[in-house]
Parts: sequence; C-alpha cells; structure tokens
Amino acid sequence: AQSVTQPDIHITVSEGASLELRCNYSYGATPYLFWYVQSPGQGLQLLLKYFSGDTLVQGIKGFEAEFKRSQSSFNLRKPSVHWSDAAEYFCAVGARGYQKVTFGIGTKLQVIP
Amino acid sequence: IAGITQAPTSQILAAGRRMTLRCTQDMRHNAMYWYRQDLGLGLRLIHYSNTAGTTGKGEVPDGYSVSRANTDDFPLTLASAVPSQTSVYFCASSDEVGGTYNEQFFGPGTRLTVL
Repeated sequence: AQSVTQPDIHITVSEGASLELRCNYSYGATPYLFWYVQSPGQGLQLLLKYFSGDTLVQGIKGFEAEFKRSQSSFNLRKPSVHWSDAAEYFCAVGARGYQKVTFGIGTKLQVIP
Repeated sequence: IAGITQAPTSQILAAGRRMTLRCTQDMRHNAMYWYRQDLGLGLRLIHYSNTAGTTGKGEVPDGYSVSRANTDDFPLTLASAVPSQTSVYFCASSDEVGGTYNEQFFGPGTRLTVL
C-alpha cells in the first residue's frame, strides 16, 4: 500500500524568504507524485507532478519539487514566498495503471510581512 | 470554462435524512472520485469510478453510495445521514491515457453539516 507523510502540519515564513515543504512517500515501485495547493474555501489545484524523467520538476506559481528516490522524498520549494502563497499544500502519491491517489494530511503555510 | 461543478455549495441536514451531493464534469474524463476532507485527516477517498457503469470503494465508503450512469455525472448519496458525516466533500476527475491516470481535477466542494 502506498502512503504519504507530510511531517510539518503548519509552517510560518516571512514574505520574500525561501520555502521548503517536506513530503516522504512509501511505495514499492516508481511512484507518480503530485503537489496540490488549496486556498481557503476552494478546491485543490495542481502545482506540479512527477511521472518520470528529470527529477527536478517545475510547476506553476514559481514552485519546483525534486524527486529523490534514495530518500523517498518529493519536497516542494520556492525561492521567494509571496503573501498570496498562504494556503494549504498537499503531497500525493499514485502509480502507473492505478487510478487511486493517496494524499498527505497537508501543510498549512502562513506568510508574515 | 471546462471543469467540475458541485451542488449544493453547502447544506445543513438533520440526522437520518437522505442527501445526494451532485457532481458534473465536462472534460470527458474516464475516472471520477469522491473525497471527504476533515481537519487533521487530509483527504480520504470515499468511492471512485474508472468509467461509466463501474464504481469502487475507497478508504471510507461506509454510509455512502455512488452511481455512474454516464461519463459526466457522479452523484454521492448519504442514505441516512449521521453527525460523523459532517465534512467538506470534494468531487474530482482524471483522464486515463495508455494506462496512466493523470492528475486529478477538483470541484469547489460541498460543505455538509449533519445535526
């Protein structure tokens, strides 16, 4: 069975500072990995995904993530956070041929001036 | 704009009542999903459907039923609502190409309160 761990439930960063949100997964084969963002009162929106190929993935809104198989990680990064990035971020893992995706419990990001 | 619509946006329901949450997508995606989102628990899959006419159970299916009569619609029914079903419900869909299920697209959610 696949699983996802987001060890940080809540993170606070200053506007303009760099950001890294952690995600660790458990899956026997090559995973499909996703990061989603949820603004208050909204549905989830895809930031980026990894299926294969280059392990550094670029997404929307200036986010990127790096797949590290040796560490079973897929951490999300942004070099300079904007106040509009305040939201909840979900990491998710799936697999080829498998329609179900397992989501982490989410990391809530607060951005302070 | 293509996407997923859900109705109602919010609902307060008396325990024991029957309720159907509606979900419609216009992207012609094969797969559709229902999740519930609860504080501290993230998103949990209730039911899913690979294609019209087929459905499957997710992580927390008890007390819920679904049907998939066509590609676009995937209603979720609570036959007899209980307070523990108070949650925010999200419908999602994804396309399948060559055995790969792509990212899921989410609706705006339905906030359900069962008293």
